[in-house]
Amino acid sequence: DAGITQSPRHKVTETGTPVTLRCHQTENHRYMYWYRQDPGHGLRLIHYSYGVKDTDKGEVSDGYSVSRSKTEDFLLTLESATSSQTSVYFCATKGQDNSPLHFGNGTRLTVT
Amino acid sequence: AQSVAQPEDQVNVAEGNPLTVKCTYSVSGNPYLFWYVQYPNRGLQFLLKYITGDNLVKGSYGFEAEFNKSQTSFHLKKPSALVSDSALYFCAVRDQGNTPLVFGKGTRLSVIA
Repeated sequence: DAGITQSPRHKVTETGTPVTLRCHQTENHRYMYWYRQDPGHGLRLIHYSYGVKDTDKGEVSDGYSVSRSKTEDFLLTLESATSSQTSVYFCATKGQDNSPLHFGNGTRLTVT
Repeated sequence: AQSVAQPEDQVNVAEGNPLTVKCTYSVSGNPYLFWYVQYPNRGLQFLLKYITGDNLVKGSYGFEAEFNKSQTSFHLKKPSALVSDSALYFCAVRDQGNTPLVFGKGTRLSVIA
């Protein structure tokens, strides 16, 4: 959707290992977001970015870090994965302030 | 702080009947309200939004939503449901100042033929 690619689409990793998820967009959108989706919780914001090297924490940021070194890429890193971070992760972008979010197709992460 | 409530986890409706998916919100200022739909193994897709203006907002696929300020609600409606409307629906809100969207927990709509 709207030129947003998330990689990988699926990943299984072990507790304690670092994991990086990538979001790549071709829309030149200013804003980028990482959400996680869990049953019974809907979507919860992890981190977001309002420009290159400008990021901020969301509701559930503990255990996660992000980086945005260029407009098109927004990386989400789990420094030391835990089972509670098993989830589906969605990247979203937005061009203008009042525009709707455009979502990628998600990354399903399983931490064993 | 802003919040959204979708009081129904599941809504079942017969094909051809009208459907309503409920949403109430809480924000400190004027709300910016959105509805999204999610099909299996896909990301969320935008349906419609309310920023200002007419309380009845029309969106994609024949959906509409009514903004009610006094009841702090933004219910999603469709006059005649289709089986293909079966999906997970999310309401979202943010206040002024370009804060990130806050999503409800989602309502699963099942349209039965």
